[in-house]
Amino acid sequence: DTGVSQNPRHKITKRGQNVTFRCDPISEHNRLYWYRQTLGQGPEFLTYFQNEAQLEKSRLLSDRFSAERPKGSFSTLEIQRTEQGDSAMYLCASSPNRGHQETQYFGPGTRLLVL
Amino acid sequence: GDSVTQMEGPVTLSEEAFLTINCTYTATGYPSLFWYVQYPGEGLQLLLKATKADDKGSNKGFEATYRKETTSFHLEKGSVQVSDSAVYFCALRSNFGNEKLTFGTGTRLTIIP
Repeated sequence: DTGVSQNPRHKITKRGQNVTFRCDPISEHNRLYWYRQTLGQGPEFLTYFQNEAQLEKSRLLSDRFSAERPKGSFSTLEIQRTEQGDSAMYLCASSPNRGHQETQYFGPGTRLLVL
Repeated sequence: GDSVTQMEGPVTLSEEAFLTINCTYTATGYPSLFWYVQYPGEGLQLLLKATKADDKGSNKGFEATYRKETTSFHLEKGSVQVSDSAVYFCALRSNFGNEKLTFGTGTRLTIIP
């Protein structure tokens, strides 16, 4: 399978702990996106990379959130000092860099539950 | 800011019924419009898209036409199947260099045999 992969698929943690999620985009896709989806809502944009450069960040991405894409391939999203309100599905997507109209391909997501 | 308003669900239809899921949007300029589908236990998949006014996107028997005059992108299918049961999301992407997708809240569709 050459689609977008995300690990872990599920994560349960206690409030105050740090968590890190990984996203592996489709090979040769330069662009990588993170979204968050809460129950009953559509995905909300968090941040976007082109290669290793983080080009956009949503206001939803508080100081406790940090995303990296050090070599322009896989990306990590870290949440520090987790809160119960961080419980959500975290989605990663990638697209090729062939212009503005390119489709974003989504991974299966990482479901986070903060107790 | 940009926003997408979707028909509230859940929607339950009998097999072979006609489907319409309404979607309207608010955006500056001429956004690109998308329908994504999420089947049970799977990730979001692009169903169809349209990038300019009057374009019709189509796939798997589904269609949606980009109507700038009514700022709408309603999803239709003439005869639904049980396998179409899923959650459907309408989304837009601004044409002002902003790469993010803005999604509606999703409509859960259940088709009964």
